[in-house]
Formats: sequence, structure tokens, C-alpha cells
Amino acid sequence: DTGVSQDPRHKITKRGQNVTFRCDPISEHNRLYWYRQTLGQGPEFLTYFQNEAQLEKSRLLSDRFSAERPKGSFSTLEIQRTEQGDSAMYLCASRQGRGNYNEQFFGPGTRLTVL
Amino acid sequence: QQQVKQSPQSLIVQKGGISIINCAYENTAFDYFPWYQQFPGKGPALLIAIRPDVSEKKEGRFTISFNKSAKQFSLHIMDSQPGDSATYFCAAGDNAGNMLTFGGGTRLMVKP
Repeated sequence: DTGVSQDPRHKITKRGQNVTFRCDPISEHNRLYWYRQTLGQGPEFLTYFQNEAQLEKSRLLSDRFSAERPKGSFSTLEIQRTEQGDSAMYLCASRQGRGNYNEQFFGPGTRLTVL
Repeated sequence: QQQVKQSPQSLIVQKGGISIINCAYENTAFDYFPWYQQFPGKGPALLIAIRPDVSEKKEGRFTISFNKSAKQFSLHIMDSQPGDSATYFCAAGDNAGNMLTFGGGTRLMVKP
């Protein structure tokens, strides 16, 4: 257990429904990252926060995706109008902001299946 | 597009053997090269990392070799054990390791 928790661990939804995932980072980490991992592939960067500010977004993050980190603590990732192509593992990671080259600690992920 | 290419996709090694996984990158702005280990149902966990100012880093049975001119780096697992059976990802980071680009992964199986 890395100290990064994600909820839920699994989510099955029907196409067109909205889903929201939550990530609780390690408490002293001010940087938080979201990645998407499809079966047999490496994680792909989606977005990251420094405290409550969203500083970078990948082009993979379409308009249907939105992420928030109110008060710089936990973060949520919402997918609106889900599509079958959204089926993947959504990983959250956190990292200390002070200093460079610090390790990103990953949570266990939320596996999304869109029927 | 920034890419990190990883090979092989899968690897079978006998217990006690050496496992070697290779990665190549394109973007010379990358300045941080970690390797992650992932077990089924778990998130990736950092195994070992290197910066381009050194050509080799060793931690226990795990060694990273780095060739800056060739833009390649590799992971060597010495005395491979069945417990090492997992998927391994190389990654490359820029902005002091803030942004990571991952390779496609190598599924390692160590036979007893």
C-alpha cells in the first residue's frame, strides 16, 4: 500500500452515463497526477495538479473529461457521456512538490468498464 | 509526439537467470528515467531510477544502464526470482521528473 487511495476500485456503467472517480493522495504531497492505462499498455498521462491548480492537460483529455482538486487535497475525475473507448484503468499518483526528481507514488487504480 | 519504445513485450527467464529489458527515447529534453514494476490489480511501483549524468546505477539485483548518445537505457535483473514475475515499465520524464512518458511494458515470467 503506497498511501494513495482510489475509489471505487471497479466501476461498470452503460454508455452515455456519467462517472466520477476519487483519489486521495499522500497527505504531504502537493502534486497529484491522473493517468489512463488500457490493457497491455503503459500508463498515459492525463493531467496534473499542483495544490488546487491544474497545470497541465493532455490532448487525451477530451471535453467530456474534467478533473478537480478543491483545496489541494483529494481529487476527482469525471467522465461525462461515457463511451466504450473510455474503458480502462484510471490511475492516480502523488508526489512531493519540494525538490526535483521525486518519486510518483501510484494508487491501485479504478477499473472502468463501459458497456 | 514524445515516445518511449520498450522491448521485448514479453520475456521468460529461468530462475537465477538475467532478465534484460530495453528502452529507447526520442526527446532529448528527458532528464529522468525511472523503471516501474506492476503486479496484477496493483498500481505501478518505482523500482529504480537514473538521471543522465551517470551511465549506470545499481540497487541490489537491479541495474539500469544508460547510453545518452544512443538515447537508450535498459534494466537488468540479476538472479531473477519467481517473485519478480510482473510487468515492467520504463518511463522518461522531463521538467525534473514531473511529466512521465511510459513505455508499452514488458511482461516478465520467471520459471522456477
